[in-house]
Amino acid sequence: DIQLTQSPSFLSASVEDTVTITCRASQHISNYLAWYQQKPGKAPNLLIYAASTLRSGVPSRFGGTGSGTEFTLTISSLQPEDFATYFCQQISTSPPTFGQGTELEVE
Amino acid sequence: QITLKESGPARVKPTQTLTLTCTFSGFSLVTSGVGVAWIRQSPGKTLEWLAVIYWDDDKRYNPSLKTRLIITKDTSRNQVVLTMTNMDPVDTGTYYCAHRLIGHGSWDTGVLDNWGQGTLVTVSS
Repeated sequence: DIQLTQSPSFLSASVEDTVTITCRASQHISNYLAWYQQKPGKAPNLLIYAASTLRSGVPSRFGGTGSGTEFTLTISSLQPEDFATYFCQQISTSPPTFGQGTELEVE
Repeated sequence: QITLKESGPARVKPTQTLTLTCTFSGFSLVTSGVGVAWIRQSPGKTLEWLAVIYWDDDKRYNPSLKTRLIITKDTSRNQVVLTMTNMDPVDTGTYYCAHRLIGHGSWDTGVLDNWGQGTLVTVSS
């Protein structure tokens, strides 16, 4: 299985900060990567797919880049509702796998 | 508006079989390209893809769990059912069903654009 490693696992930040989360794949996955946001007690919510395509309705402060084995999720000008856990997912090879998550908390 | 909701037992005993039902609305599983997947999340928050079923009754499973899983659909009831045999305490977690985004990934994989609220399953004697 392809392993996805997110860094950092925990991130403290303040409202209006800009933060970046990295997802590294154990094998080349082209741009077959998605990002999800999960809030406590809720299901994951799709933010970005194909590494950089913003899902309709997702604020433009969320951005994704990368290809191959290294990917980033950047959140510009953090808003209070952005404090959550973020997961990456690869869909290049079966089975689809997820990163371990990055918990973004208020500093 | 797409909605999905999982239902099933909150607790099962080790070695028993788990049966979960996903009831959905806002789309049809007879429409070309449509798929519904099951994913679970452990208490430690690890996400694991389980299976997906498509409009044409194609079924794809996580190879590591394939021998224990069966996924079926009832298009007249807008439901997808997942059966998992020989349950173990390590199978404890929240089980989600989700709509697969059409056109992204191979048939063995997929991006999930709408999720149910999840159902917590505890495996304990």
